Amino acid sequence: DIVMTQSPLSLPVTPGEPASISCRSSQSLLHNIGYNYLDWYLQKPGQSPQLLIYFGSNRASGVPDRFSGSGSGTDFTLNISRVEAEDVGFYYCMQSLQIPFTFGPGTKVDI
Amino acid sequence: QITLRESGPALVKPTQTLTLTCTFSGFSLTTPGMRVIWIRQTPGKALEWLARIDWDDDKFYSTSLKTRLTISKDTSKNQVVLTMTNMDPVDSATYFCARMQSWWGLDVWGRGTVVTVSS
Repeated sequence: DIVMTQSPLSLPVTPGEPASISCRSSQSLLHNIGYNYLDWYLQKPGQSPQLLIYFGSNRASGVPDRFSGSGSGTDFTLNISRVEAEDVGFYYCMQSLQIPFTFGPGTKVDI
Repeated sequence: QITLRESGPALVKPTQTLTLTCTFSGFSLTTPGMRVIWIRQTPGKALEWLARIDWDDDKFYSTSLKTRLTISKDTSKNQVVLTMTNMDPVDSATYFCARMQSWWGLDVWGRGTVVTVSS
């Protein structure tokens, strides 16, 4: 199975300031068609996870443009340009290149 | 509007079989590229991918749990069923189902159902 790691595991943030989360995979997630099979999810308190980013850098429908994803191969980053209070929660990366899909351990973001 | 809803018992005894149903609306699991996935979340917040069923009835399972899991679909009822045999207290978790179109992420999730395994 592909192992996903994230850092940091806990991230205190300040509203209005940028924030960044790193995700690494034990194998390259770059498919031969040119896409990285890496998603980012946010689970707000008391809610189900919601999709933020797919293919490493594509924002899902309705996701604010302060969220952006970058990276390729085994190293990926989720950036929040200016954190808002509503962005608190757990952030997870997930690979969908290989069965079984696997999640990172999650990063807790709070103010 | 696309929705998914998980249902099943809140409490099961050790060694019993768990049966969970994901009832969805707003899309069809006969559409090429459509998939439904089961995920669980332990109290410590870790997410674990369990199984996937595709529009063409392809099925895929977690490496560690594949001997205990069975996924199936009833397209006439818009339902996906997951069974897990030989339940253990460590299987206590919130179980989610989610939709995936092609490879564009798990874009819609159910609210989850909490399952406790205890005698």
